[in-house]
Amino acid sequence: SQQGEEDPQALSIQEGENATMNCSYKTSINNLQWYRQNSGRGLVHLILIRSNEREKHSGRLRVTLDTSKKSSSLLITASRAADTASYFCATVKTGANSKLTFGKGITLSVRP
Amino acid sequence: KAGVTQTPRYLIKTRGQQVTLSCSPISGHRSVSWYQQTPGQGLQFLFEYFSETQRNKGNFPGRFSGRQFSNSRSEMNVSTLELGDSALYLCASAPLYGYTFGSGTRLTVV
Repeated sequence: SQQGEEDPQALSIQEGENATMNCSYKTSINNLQWYRQNSGRGLVHLILIRSNEREKHSGRLRVTLDTSKKSSSLLITASRAADTASYFCATVKTGANSKLTFGKGITLSVRP
Repeated sequence: KAGVTQTPRYLIKTRGQQVTLSCSPISGHRSVSWYQQTPGQGLQFLFEYFSETQRNKGNFPGRFSGRQFSNSRSEMNVSTLELGDSALYLCASAPLYGYTFGSGTRLTVV
């Protein structure tokens, strides 16, 4: 069963623009992670944010977490054509060891 | 260091057959997890092994099984294949947080 719901399901932007993707989840979590997948290949871990953190940065990525609203957002700044991919949020529920529960994903297209 | 290696990359099997997929985690990683990805159901957790013990199991029928060896390599087996088992099977290894995924095995059941 899906824990996370990403929004929007698809996003198309111009190169250089910022892309914002949202994720909502249902239960209390230990941490939330974002992954990227290119054309049905393996998932690439982008960033992890723990439940006691509110914001995290990694290069052009910025992730926020609001545990009171059970939501997270991923911002990619100055997007590039190479950022075209599917993006997934995944949560690790409290007490669930390290099992990841994924959302359905967001398809991001960055037009050159 | 080498990443997570999954073999084979592609597989075509007939309904009713069984299949074994292999995953070699990153050296030193003791946790190995398996996920199934389909267009309809998305990414779903199959099971997780840690130090040769199954630590977590998803909601899949008993036809799906796995194991982990003392060198942390893992195999998953699917018996009596059904058309709906066609999927991308992903393996991931982790030291603690933040999984590293392999490129997956794409299984097609005909």
